[in-house]
Amino acid sequence: DVKVTQSSRYLVKRTGEKVFLECVQDMDHENMFWYRQDPGLGLRLIYFSYDVKMKEKGDIPEGYSVSREKKERFSLILESASTNQTSMYLCASSPWTGQGTNTEAFFGQGTRLTVV
Amino acid sequence: AQKITQTQPGMFVQEKEAVTLDCTYDTSDPSYGLFWYKQPSSGEMIFLIYQGSYDQQNATEGRYSLNFQKARKSANLVISASQLGDSAMYFCAMKGPGNNRLAFGKGNQVVVIP
Repeated sequence: DVKVTQSSRYLVKRTGEKVFLECVQDMDHENMFWYRQDPGLGLRLIYFSYDVKMKEKGDIPEGYSVSREKKERFSLILESASTNQTSMYLCASSPWTGQGTNTEAFFGQGTRLTVV
Repeated sequence: AQKITQTQPGMFVQEKEAVTLDCTYDTSDPSYGLFWYKQPSSGEMIFLIYQGSYDQQNATEGRYSLNFQKARKSANLVISASQLGDSAMYFCAMKGPGNNRLAFGKGNQVVVIP
C-alpha cells in the first residue's frame, strides 16, 4: 500500500520559533510537494522538488524553505513562525512523468499547525 | 500559468440524486491532465478520476464521470446516485507537461442529505 507520512498530525508552536514539518514517502517518487490549505483558498503550492537537492518555488514560498537530502524525505521549514502561517499543511508525492500528465499525486494525512 | 476555477457555493444534494461540480481551467499548454480529488472531513485527499487533454472519451470511474468540454475549457465532475459518504470537499486540479506541478482550485463543498 502506497504511503506518504507526515511526522505530526497536530502541532502548536510559538511565534518566532523555527518549525520543521517532515514528510516521507515509500513509493520511490521523484516529485514531492508541500501545499498549504486554508478555508476558501483551496490548496496553494508552497514548494516542490523533482529530485534530491532540487527544488522550485510554488505560488506562496515567502516565509518558507525546504530541504530534500534524500529521495524519500521532503522537509518544510518555517524559519521564524508567524501567526499567519497557522494552517493545514499537506505533503504529496508523484512519479516523474516527463511530458506525460497522467499520474496522480498521493497525499499525506496533513499537519494542522497552530502558531501562537 | 495554469489556473483552476471552482466557484460554486456549498451544495446540498438529496441521497440517490446526481450532482455536477463545475471546474474551468486556463492553460496555454496543448497537453495537460485534469484530476478530481475528494477530501472528507477526516482530511485525507482521495484521488477520484483523471482526464487527459488528448483523450477522446470522457473519463469514468464507477459512479464518477467527467464531462470534459475542451473548447470551453471545462472539466465538470458528475457523481451519480449520491451516497451519504459522498459528503466532502471536492477539488479540481491540473498538471501540465514537463514541470509536474499540480495546481488546485478552491474546492466545492458537497453535503448529501438523506
